[in-house]
Amino acid sequence: DAKTTQPPSMDCAEGRAANLPCNHSTISGNEYVYWYRQIHSQGPQYIIHGLKNNETNEMASLIITEDRKSSTLILPHATLRDTAVYYCIVRVNTGNQFYFGTGTSLTVIP
Amino acid sequence: DAGVIQSPRHEVTEMGQEVTLRCKPISGHDYLFWYRQTMMRGLELLIYFNNNVPIDDSGMPEDRFSAKMPNASFSTLKIQPSEPRDSAVYFCASSRRQGRHEQFFGPGTRLTVL
Repeated sequence: DAKTTQPPSMDCAEGRAANLPCNHSTISGNEYVYWYRQIHSQGPQYIIHGLKNNETNEMASLIITEDRKSSTLILPHATLRDTAVYYCIVRVNTGNQFYFGTGTSLTVIP
Repeated sequence: DAGVIQSPRHEVTEMGQEVTLRCKPISGHDYLFWYRQTMMRGLELLIYFNNNVPIDDSGMPEDRFSAKMPNASFSTLKIQPSEPRDSAVYFCASSRRQGRHEQFFGPGTRLTVL
C-alpha cells in the first residue's frame, strides 16, 4: 500500500472550513484514498473514501487531484467535536487491512 | 445495533499475569480485526479473521500473544505472560466482507501492566 504524508497538526476556527491535506505520490491506479478520524479515547471512525472523483457525504468532502498524488479532506463547518486525529490511508479495494500512520491532529478553536 | 463491544474497558495487572481481552463484533460482519495503539508506535494491526479463521497474524508481536475466534460473535486476544511493554489500548474492529470500505471499531480496552 502506498505511503501517505500528512502535517502533524493543524488548527481551525469553529464554524470555518477545515482543509486537511494528504500527499500520496506513489499511489497506484487501483488504490483508494480513505479518511478515518479518532476522537480522544475512542476507536477510529470512518469518514469517507474515493478513487478518482471528488466525493461528499454528510460528514465531509474529499477532493482528489487529477493526478491522484494528493487529496484534501474538507470539513465544511468545523465544530469543537471535530477535534481529533485524522488519518489518510491508501489501500486497494480488495485489501482487508488498514495501515494507520501518524495522522493530523486537528484542533478546532472556539 | 450496539456496535462492536469490547471488555473489559480497563485492565490493570501485574507483570507475568495472563490477560484476556474480549470482543463481540457487529452481527453479520465476517471480518474481525485486532489493533494495538501506543504513543510510540501508533495504531498497529495485530491479526485479523475472516469467517472465524485467522488470515494474517504477522502483526502479532511475539508468542506471548494469541488470538482466537471460536464463533462468529466472539473473539479473544490473550497475553501470557504479560509484560509492562504490553501496556496499550487494544481495539477490536469488524467489517462486512472483503473490500468493504468501512471498519467499525470498538471503544477499546486500556491495558496497564505494572
